[in-house]
Amino acid sequence: QVQVQESGPGLVKPSGTLSLTCTVSGGSISTSNWWSWVRQSPGKGLEWIGEIYHSGSTNYNPSLKSRVTISVDKSNNQFFLKLNSVTAADTAIYYCARRTVTLRNWYFNLWGRGTLVTVSS
Amino acid sequence: DIQMTQSPSSLSASVGDRVSITCRASQTMSSFINWYQFKPGKAPRLLIHAASSLESGVPIRFSGSGSGTDFILIINDLQREDFATYYCQQTYSEPWTFGQGTKVEI
Repeated sequence: QVQVQESGPGLVKPSGTLSLTCTVSGGSISTSNWWSWVRQSPGKGLEWIGEIYHSGSTNYNPSLKSRVTISVDKSNNQFFLKLNSVTAADTAIYYCARRTVTLRNWYFNLWGRGTLVTVSS
Repeated sequence: DIQMTQSPSSLSASVGDRVSITCRASQTMSSFINWYQFKPGKAPRLLIHAASSLESGVPIRFSGSGSGTDFILIINDLQREDFATYYCQQTYSEPWTFGQGTKVEI
């Protein structure tokens, strides 16, 4: 059974860089799926950050694109999120998720439990 | 970006009730809408994809309908484990966007 799990520091200083890892277990990251980051904050609700394919192709939310980098390590079945120049507004629960593509639709059918990241000095 | 407007933002219900949650998109999007269940501390769960397709393993008391701009999630015979927050999401065009959520409370 495929699972994904987020990991990384729970506290980041303002103007610093938020770095998270998502580890895929029970299956390969090199499948016909996209691997996404989504965050949930009281102020902005659920926000899709961006995604990566195992080939390294990426899509980003334009609202965050200037500060986000998503990368992948196929050998370790992991993908990563880096968000720089963080402020308190970036405080949120960060989820990693799998986006499955079918002929009819695409949807996020696998999620991690999320990890809370607080931006504070 | 496509805006997704969900209503109500919260509702109170009892076990056995029928509950409906609506989601309106700011533009027509065929059936590119999904519904999720969120509970604190748990991995979110996909319930419905393509507006009306029940995800494998999801109880049949959950159903979805709609097309174009208006979509509905219905929960029949509400169970205790269904008390949670529900979100719609559009995957018609990037960036993928979510509704504001509907909290179903006892």
